[in-house]
This record gives sequence, structure tokens and C-alpha cells, in this order.
Amino acid sequence: AQSVTQLGSHVSVSEGALVLLRCNYSSSVPPYLFWYVQYPNQGLQLLLKYTTGATLVKGINGFEAEFKKSETSFHLTKPSAHMSDAAEYFCAVSNTGFQKLVFGTGTRLLVSP
Amino acid sequence: EAGVAQSPRYKIIEKRQSVAFWCNPISGHATLYWYQQILGQGPKLLIQFQNNGVVDDSQLPKDRFSAERLKGVDSTLKIQPAKLEDSAVYLCASSLEGGNTGELFFGEGSRLTVL
Repeated sequence: AQSVTQLGSHVSVSEGALVLLRCNYSSSVPPYLFWYVQYPNQGLQLLLKYTTGATLVKGINGFEAEFKKSETSFHLTKPSAHMSDAAEYFCAVSNTGFQKLVFGTGTRLLVSP
Repeated sequence: EAGVAQSPRYKIIEKRQSVAFWCNPISGHATLYWYQQILGQGPKLLIQFQNNGVVDDSQLPKDRFSAERLKGVDSTLKIQPAKLEDSAVYLCASSLEGGNTGELFFGEGSRLTVL
């Protein structure tokens, strides 16, 4: 069975600081991995995805994530946080592409001025 | 292009009452999903439709939850009777393709509070 662990339910950074949100996965087959963002009272929006090929994936709004098979990780980073990045971020895994996503419990990113 | 529409946005009911949520996917999207997002947890898939047929309902509590997608367009999710633990946000999502390449687009969700 697939699963996702997101370390830290809340992460606080200052504006301009590095953002690092951690995600570790468990999958018996090569996984598809995703990061979604959820702004207050809105639906989830796809930030980026890893399917096959290049392990460093770039997404929208300056975010990127690196697939590390040896560490079973897919951490999300952004070099410089902006106030507008404050939201909840979900990591998800699937072994069937976009179907049957299994989500982590989410990490709320707080950005202070 | 209009996004996934859901209604109502908020609903408060007493336990043992019934409730229904409606979803209108993006035009032309063949696949429709209902997810349940309990506070503090990630979304959990309840049911997946491909056109008007059910692809996966293995995590749908069928003793109280039902869903339909008549004519392969909009969908209704019903809970009867509701329990306290059903308090959650119910998210609808749709995708253009039914295979493994279609990105999911989510609606804003319907927040249910059961008292």
C-alpha cells in the first residue's frame, strides 16, 4: 500500500527565507509524486509532479522538488518565500498516475514579514 | 474556462439528518472524483466516476453514503443518515482523461458540520 508522511504540520519562515517542506513516501512500485497547494477556502491546485525522467522537477510560483529514490523523499523547496506563499501544502503519491492519489496530512506554511 | 463548481459551500445539520452535495465538473471532463477532507487530514478518495460509470468506490461507506453521476456530467453525493464523524470538507475534482495522464482540477469544496 502507498502512504505519505509529511514532517511538520506547521512550518514558519520569514519573507525572503528558504522554504523547505518535507515529504517521504512509501510505495511498492515506482511512484508518481505530487505537491498540491490549498489556499484558504479554495480547492487544491497542482504545484508540480514527478512521473519519470529528470528527478528535479520545477513547478509554478518558483517551487521545485527533487525525487530521491534512495531516501524515498520528495521535498518541496523555494529559495525565497513570499507572503503569498502562505497556504497548506499536500504531498501525494500514486502508483497509477493521476488516479487514486494518496495524500499526506498537509503542512501549513506561515510566512512572516 | 469555468472551473469545478460545487454547492452548497457550507452546510450545518443535526446528526441522523440527510444532506446532498452537488458538483458540476469542467466541461468535457470524463472523470469525476469525490474526496473527503477531515480537519487535520489529507483528502481521501470516496468515489471515482468515468463518464456515468463507477470506477472505484472501495472507500465509500455505502451504508450511509451514495453518489451518482447521471448523464455523465454533474454529480450528487448524499449522506443519510449523517454522523458526527462525517464533519468534513467534501471536494469534487475532475480530469479530462480517464487514464494516468489527466491532471485533477478541484472545486472549492463543500464544508459539512454535523452537530
